[in-house]
Amino acid sequence: DQQVKQNSPSLSVQEGRISILNCDYTNSMFDYFLWYKKYPAEGPTFLISISSIKDKNEDGRFTVFLNKSAKHLSLHIVPSQPGDSAVYFCAASYSNSGYALNFGKGTSLLVTP
Amino acid sequence: DTAVSQTPKYLVTQMGNDKSIKCEQNLGHDTMYWYKQDSKKFLKIMFSYNNKELIINETVPNRFSPKSPDKAHLNLHINSLELGDSAVYFCASSQGQGSHYGYTFGSGTRLTVV
Repeated sequence: DQQVKQNSPSLSVQEGRISILNCDYTNSMFDYFLWYKKYPAEGPTFLISISSIKDKNEDGRFTVFLNKSAKHLSLHIVPSQPGDSAVYFCAASYSNSGYALNFGKGTSLLVTP
Repeated sequence: DTAVSQTPKYLVTQMGNDKSIKCEQNLGHDTMYWYKQDSKKFLKIMFSYNNKELIINETVPNRFSPKSPDKAHLNLHINSLELGDSAVYFCASSQGQGSHYGYTFGSGTRLTVV
């Protein structure tokens, strides 16, 4: 039962434009959300996170928005750079699960020059 | 200096064999994990250890047995390998028992059972 869903398997964006990656979840117990970035043949790398008590968190070019009522979060990358081309995983957790991460299937982002 | 290192990076073996994957972290973290990424690209938790104690043990066949000799190491031993065990296995660590601190993942071990 997939509790975290990334419905867009791929996204192509021009360099300098905004990239918006979306994620939906079904488990209302989730209280912490994270985004990971993954290059081929490497492990996922932590990018940015947000607690359920917030609706926005910003770190440089990366901003994560959380809409709890819609059970939806999104990652905005502005401006997009070719080096951002990677697979982005959305993940969620809650304390009673031992903080295990529930991952989405990932969205492959391609930033073209 | 690699923070979370897994060996081997690639493992090809026959059905029925027993194999181990080793994981070591030099970050001083007290919690370590094993995740499995299957052919559909889902990353799912298998085990979690905090200070050598088993915290999470998801629905994983008994053929999979984690071993944590100290808090810097979490090895995964798999008995009687099956075709369905083919996947990429990721080790990870975090400071504190919680993803709130962000995990550091290893680069993965691609296991192929033939």
